[in-house]
Amino acid sequence: GAVVSQHPSWVICKSGTSVKIECRSLDFQATTMFWYRQFPKQSLMLMATSNEGSKATYEQGVEKDKFLINHASLTLSTLTVTSAHPEDSSFYICSAQTGYLYEQYFGPGTRLTVT
Amino acid sequence: GIQVEQSPPDLILQEGANSTLRCNFSDSVNNLQWFHQNPWGQLINLFYIPSGTKQNGRLSATTVATERYSLLYISSSQTTDSGVYFCAAGNDYKLSFGAGTTVTVRA
Repeated sequence: GAVVSQHPSWVICKSGTSVKIECRSLDFQATTMFWYRQFPKQSLMLMATSNEGSKATYEQGVEKDKFLINHASLTLSTLTVTSAHPEDSSFYICSAQTGYLYEQYFGPGTRLTVT
Repeated sequence: GIQVEQSPPDLILQEGANSTLRCNFSDSVNNLQWFHQNPWGQLINLFYIPSGTKQNGRLSATTVATERYSLLYISSSQTTDSGVYFCAAGNDYKLSFGAGTTVTVRA
Protein backbone atom coordinates (compact mmCIF):
# COMPACT_ATOMS: atom_id res chain seq x y z
CA GLY A 1 0.00 0.00 0.00
CA ALA A 2 0.80 3.73 0.02
CA VAL A 3 1.95 4.00 -3.58
CA VAL A 4 2.61 7.38 -5.18
CA SER A 5 3.15 7.83 -8.90
CA GLN A 6 4.54 10.71 -10.92
CA HIS A 7 4.20 11.52 -14.59
CA PRO A 8 6.25 12.05 -16.61
CA SER A 9 9.35 10.36 -15.24
CA TRP A 10 11.54 12.59 -17.38
CA VAL A 11 10.94 15.55 -19.65
CA ILE A 12 13.04 17.79 -21.88
CA CYS A 13 11.65 21.18 -22.81
CA LYS A 14 12.83 24.36 -24.47
CA SER A 15 13.57 27.49 -22.52
CA GLY A 16 10.46 29.66 -22.13
CA THR A 17 7.92 26.85 -22.29
CA SER A 18 5.86 25.44 -19.41
CA VAL A 19 5.90 21.91 -18.07
CA LYS A 20 3.28 20.15 -15.94
CA ILE A 21 4.17 17.29 -13.59
CA GLU A 22 1.46 15.11 -12.07
CA CYS A 23 1.60 13.39 -8.70
CA ARG A 24 -1.00 10.78 -7.81
CA SER A 25 -1.65 8.70 -4.72
CA LEU A 26 -2.80 5.38 -6.15
CA ASP A 27 -4.23 3.48 -3.21
CA PHE A 28 -5.00 6.10 -0.58
CA GLN A 29 -6.42 9.56 -0.23
CA ALA A 30 -3.76 12.16 0.43
CA THR A 31 -4.83 14.99 2.66
CA THR A 32 -1.51 16.71 2.10
CA MET A 33 0.99 16.53 -0.73
CA PHE A 34 4.48 17.95 -0.93
CA TRP A 35 6.83 18.97 -3.70
CA TYR A 36 10.59 18.71 -3.32
CA ARG A 37 13.53 19.58 -5.53
CA GLN A 38 16.84 17.73 -5.57
CA PHE A 39 20.02 18.83 -7.32
CA PRO A 40 22.66 16.23 -8.26
CA LYS A 41 24.36 14.69 -5.23
CA GLN A 42 22.44 16.96 -2.88
CA SER A 43 19.62 16.57 -0.42
CA LEU A 44 15.93 17.22 -0.92
CA MET A 45 14.62 20.74 -0.46
CA LEU A 46 10.93 21.27 0.27
CA MET A 47 9.37 23.64 -2.23
CA ALA A 48 5.73 23.71 -1.18
CA THR A 49 2.95 21.98 0.68
CA SER A 50 -0.53 21.59 -0.73
CA ASN A 51 -3.84 20.56 0.75
CA GLU A 52 -6.78 19.50 -1.37
CA GLY A 53 -8.95 22.43 -2.33
CA SER A 54 -6.76 25.14 -0.87
CA LYS A 55 -3.82 27.25 -1.99
CA ALA A 56 -0.35 25.81 -1.65
CA THR A 57 2.05 27.04 1.00
CA TYR A 58 5.42 27.86 -0.50
CA GLU A 59 8.77 27.74 1.28
CA GLN A 60 10.81 30.88 1.56
CA GLY A 61 12.64 31.65 -1.66
CA VAL A 62 10.36 29.59 -3.92
CA GLU A 63 8.62 31.70 -6.57
CA LYS A 64 4.93 30.90 -6.42
CA ASP A 65 4.29 32.44 -9.85
CA LYS A 66 6.94 30.23 -11.40
CA PHE A 67 6.03 26.97 -9.68
CA LEU A 68 2.25 26.68 -9.82
CA ILE A 69 0.75 23.97 -7.64
CA ASN A 70 -2.80 22.71 -7.89
CA HIS A 71 -4.20 20.07 -5.54
CA ALA A 72 -7.43 19.36 -7.37
CA SER A 73 -8.47 16.20 -5.55
CA LEU A 74 -7.46 13.91 -2.71
CA THR A 75 -5.41 11.82 -5.14
CA LEU A 76 -3.89 14.36 -7.52
CA SER A 77 -1.53 17.30 -7.24
CA THR A 78 0.19 19.02 -10.15
CA LEU A 79 3.29 21.18 -10.36
CA THR A 80 3.61 23.46 -13.36
CA VAL A 81 6.98 25.03 -14.06
CA THR A 82 6.16 28.17 -16.03
CA SER A 83 8.50 29.88 -18.46
CA ALA A 84 11.18 27.32 -17.71
CA HIS A 85 14.85 28.25 -17.83
CA PRO A 86 17.95 26.04 -17.76
CA GLU A 87 18.44 26.76 -14.05
CA ASP A 88 15.08 25.07 -13.41
CA SER A 89 16.59 21.79 -14.58
CA SER A 90 16.41 19.46 -11.62
CA PHE A 91 14.88 16.32 -10.13
CA TYR A 92 11.39 17.06 -8.78
CA ILE A 93 9.88 14.65 -6.28
CA CYS A 94 6.41 14.64 -4.76
CA SER A 95 5.23 12.97 -1.61
CA ALA A 96 1.87 12.38 0.02
CA GLN A 97 0.58 11.94 3.52
CA THR A 98 -2.50 9.98 4.51
CA GLY A 99 -3.43 12.15 7.45
CA TYR A 100 -3.56 9.28 9.93
CA LEU A 101 0.16 9.45 10.58
CA TYR A 102 2.77 12.01 9.65
CA GLU A 103 4.62 9.47 7.51
CA GLN A 104 5.26 10.64 3.94
CA TYR A 105 5.32 8.37 0.88
CA PHE A 106 7.35 9.48 -2.11
CA GLY A 107 6.86 9.29 -5.83
CA PRO A 108 9.63 8.10 -8.18
CA GLY A 109 10.54 11.64 -9.23
CA THR A 110 10.57 13.59 -12.49
CA ARG A 111 13.81 14.63 -14.12
CA LEU A 112 13.39 17.98 -15.89
CA THR A 113 15.94 19.24 -18.39
CA VAL A 114 15.46 22.70 -19.89
CA THR A 115 17.49 23.40 -23.03
CA GLY B 1 13.21 25.07 10.96
CA ILE B 2 14.66 21.82 12.18
CA GLN B 3 18.33 21.27 11.33
CA VAL B 4 19.27 17.67 10.53
CA GLU B 5 22.86 16.42 10.48
CA GLN B 6 23.89 12.99 9.28
CA SER B 7 27.14 11.18 9.79
CA PRO B 8 29.29 9.87 8.31
CA PRO B 9 28.85 11.48 4.87
CA ASP B 10 30.37 8.46 3.17
CA LEU B 11 30.74 4.85 4.24
CA ILE B 12 32.53 2.03 2.44
CA LEU B 13 31.79 -1.48 3.65
CA GLN B 14 32.87 -4.95 2.80
CA GLU B 15 29.97 -7.28 2.12
CA GLY B 16 28.87 -8.91 5.36
CA ALA B 17 29.95 -6.03 7.59
CA ASN B 18 27.73 -4.17 10.04
CA SER B 19 27.38 -0.40 10.20
CA THR B 20 25.68 2.41 12.06
CA LEU B 21 24.43 5.66 10.54
CA ARG B 22 23.64 8.59 12.79
CA CYS B 23 21.13 11.42 12.53
CA ASN B 24 21.14 14.40 14.92
CA PHE B 25 18.31 16.92 14.92
CA SER B 26 18.20 20.38 16.45
CA ASP B 27 14.84 20.41 18.21
CA SER B 28 12.08 18.14 19.42
CA VAL B 29 10.24 16.36 16.62
CA ASN B 30 7.15 14.23 16.22
CA ASN B 31 8.07 12.95 12.77
CA LEU B 32 11.27 11.14 11.85
CA GLN B 33 11.81 8.94 8.85
CA TRP B 34 14.70 7.03 7.31
CA PHE B 35 14.87 6.52 3.54
CA HIS B 36 17.07 4.73 1.06
CA GLN B 37 17.37 6.46 -2.31
CA ASN B 38 18.02 3.96 -5.07
CA PRO B 39 20.14 4.71 -8.17
CA TRP B 40 17.04 5.81 -10.10
CA GLY B 41 16.16 8.37 -7.45
CA GLN B 42 13.23 6.61 -5.81
CA LEU B 43 13.02 7.16 -2.08
CA ILE B 44 12.20 3.93 -0.30
CA ASN B 45 10.62 4.26 3.15
CA LEU B 46 12.70 2.33 5.66
CA PHE B 47 11.34 3.46 9.00
CA TYR B 48 8.85 5.91 10.43
CA ILE B 49 10.34 6.23 13.90
CA PRO B 50 9.77 9.43 15.90
CA SER B 51 10.74 7.45 19.01
CA GLY B 52 11.64 3.95 20.10
CA THR B 53 13.17 1.02 18.24
CA LYS B 54 12.05 -0.86 15.16
CA GLN B 55 13.48 -3.72 13.15
CA ASN B 56 12.87 -4.87 9.62
CA GLY B 57 15.03 -7.76 8.50
CA ARG B 58 18.69 -6.75 8.51
CA LEU B 59 17.83 -3.13 9.23
CA SER B 60 16.90 -1.62 12.54
CA ALA B 61 16.52 1.91 13.86
CA THR B 62 16.45 3.60 17.21
CA THR B 63 15.38 7.14 18.00
CA VAL B 64 16.15 8.73 21.35
CA ALA B 65 13.87 11.73 21.14
CA THR B 66 14.98 13.26 24.44
CA GLU B 67 18.59 13.36 23.21
CA ARG B 68 17.66 14.35 19.64
CA TYR B 69 19.29 11.61 17.65
CA SER B 70 18.41 8.55 15.66
CA LEU B 71 20.53 5.61 14.56
CA LEU B 72 20.11 3.28 11.59
CA TYR B 73 21.81 -0.10 11.84
CA ILE B 74 22.65 -2.21 8.82
CA SER B 75 23.71 -5.76 9.62
CA SER B 76 25.35 -8.27 7.29
CA SER B 77 25.49 -5.68 4.52
CA GLN B 78 24.89 -6.70 0.92
CA THR B 79 25.83 -4.97 -2.33
CA THR B 80 22.15 -4.12 -2.82
CA ASP B 81 22.34 -1.96 0.32
CA SER B 82 24.48 0.55 -1.60
CA GLY B 83 22.97 3.96 -2.14
CA VAL B 84 22.19 7.13 -0.24
CA TYR B 85 20.45 6.96 3.12
CA PHE B 86 18.51 10.01 4.22
CA CYS B 87 17.18 10.93 7.61
CA ALA B 88 14.33 13.44 7.68
CA ALA B 89 12.85 15.02 10.78
CA GLY B 90 10.22 17.58 11.60
CA ASN B 91 7.01 18.43 13.31
CA ASP B 92 3.60 17.43 12.06
CA TYR B 93 3.65 17.31 8.30
CA LYS B 94 6.85 19.17 7.45
CA LEU B 95 10.14 17.29 7.04
CA SER B 96 13.69 18.63 6.86
CA PHE B 97 16.20 16.32 5.21
CA GLY B 98 19.78 15.70 6.21
CA ALA B 99 22.56 15.70 3.63
CA GLY B 100 22.55 11.91 3.48
CA THR B 101 25.07 9.12 3.97
CA THR B 102 26.39 7.48 0.81
CA VAL B 103 26.95 3.79 1.47
CA THR B 104 29.04 1.65 -0.84
CA VAL B 105 29.10 -2.07 -0.17
CA ARG B 106 31.90 -3.95 -1.94
CA ALA B 107 31.69 -7.63 -2.81
